[in-house]
Amino acid sequence: QLVLTQSPSASASLGASVKLSCTLSSGQSSYAIAWHQQQPEKGPRYLMKLNSDGSHTKGDGIPDRFSGSSSGAERYLTISSLQSEDEADYYCQTWDTGIRVFGGGTKLTVL
Amino acid sequence: QVQLVKSGGGLVKPGGSLRLSCAASGFTFSDFYMSWIRQAPGKGLEWVSYITSRGSSVYYADSVKGRFIISRDNPNNSLYLQMNSLRAEDTAVYYCARERCSGGNCFLDYWGQGTLVTVSS
Repeated sequence: QLVLTQSPSASASLGASVKLSCTLSSGQSSYAIAWHQQQPEKGPRYLMKLNSDGSHTKGDGIPDRFSGSSSGAERYLTISSLQSEDEADYYCQTWDTGIRVFGGGTKLTVL
Repeated sequence: QVQLVKSGGGLVKPGGSLRLSCAASGFTFSDFYMSWIRQAPGKGLEWVSYITSRGSSVYYADSVKGRFIISRDNPNNSLYLQMNSLRAEDTAVYYCARERCSGGNCFLDYWGQGTLVTVSS
């Protein structure tokens, strides 16, 4: 069963960095994921596709402050030089034939 | 630029039907898989359904299987979601999204604006 696990919340200070995690279910450590951002009262926006080797492809206009990395079944989204507009919900998403799966989302608070 | 413009949301009674539409522009619609995703009030994202580029295959989440029908009209660059036998738990903002596929990987790379569907008597 394809499952993605995210911590419900995270926080970091303005100007600092934060690393959000997304864990793939057992046996699926080779899967790629995508990260999506949802700012308050807005629709989601695609940030990047992240492969198991850590390579990633960002969406149009996504700043260099956003990067991705991988380790085993873990997929990470790192946001550096945090800005107030980075306060949002972040969702990871993966796929297989016939199914698409979202993690529960992480609510990021910028202090 | 890629645009996905939705229409068709609103208030419907339990057991009723509603059809959502999503008009695509800025890309070759017939080259891309398309998905519907929903978000219940205060909740996370839930994938609902996807359709392959030519419409030959469709897939549904268990929560909507047998009640919802996804379809597309490639000449008119449109995606649809026919929602039947609606329940209170179908109340959500519904999004259409484009899927970028490469080598068996298909991920959502553009989202439309949401449309609210409220199921209530």
